[in-house]
Amino acid sequence: DAEITQSPRHKITETGRQVTLACHQTWNHNNMFWYRQDLGHGLRLIHYSYGVQDTNKGEVSDGYSVSRSNTEDLPLTLESAASSQTSVYFCASSESGEVTDTQYFGPGTRLTVL
Amino acid sequence: GQQVMQIPQYQHVQEGEDFTTYCNSSTTLSNIQWYKQRPGGHPVFLIQLVKSGEVKKQKRLTFQFGEAKKNSSLHITATQTTDVGTYFCAGTYNQGGKLIFGQGTELSVKP
Repeated sequence: DAEITQSPRHKITETGRQVTLACHQTWNHNNMFWYRQDLGHGLRLIHYSYGVQDTNKGEVSDGYSVSRSNTEDLPLTLESAASSQTSVYFCASSESGEVTDTQYFGPGTRLTVL
Repeated sequence: GQQVMQIPQYQHVQEGEDFTTYCNSSTTLSNIQWYKQRPGGHPVFLIQLVKSGEVKKQKRLTFQFGEAKKNSSLHITATQTTDVGTYFCAGTYNQGGKLIFGQGTELSVKP
């Protein structure tokens, strides 16, 4: 069955370190998204991609970067982790189309920055 | 910027009571989706509303999209403990656009 996976599921790191969170989907979806979830803020969009070599900034992109070298993967990199980036991170994917499509979410990565 | 406001933030009900969560936007939405996130889980798609005044039902859940396409609601009749979780609305402002999520309503159900 098609799925979307994230790794690691839990990560503890130190301030200033570079961290990369992996997202892999086998739906063959063109669209992929990264969100962070914090209490009281719901889901906030970090970066998104509509296809290979395409990346776009979301509403909270500072301190994060992504690259899309193939359809299946959209890794999220924290260049220099900060305590404010402690959060739960969700990756999602959707088909492309004229109408906004259902987004399928991965299980999430809980990141703690000490 | 474009925002989708969702209320209430929390709702505690006795099993069997009804529950409603509301979403509002200051500008017209193209469409709205609803997601449910169980405790410790990830958001799961429930439904999408596209047309002005649209009403859709899924068993005990009723979803409405306002006539002006600026608000939406989710109503659960006779809640059960399996309804526990956070319900998110998510709207878009143009076709094929990004989803803007509301803050979510966390529902707890006391047996």
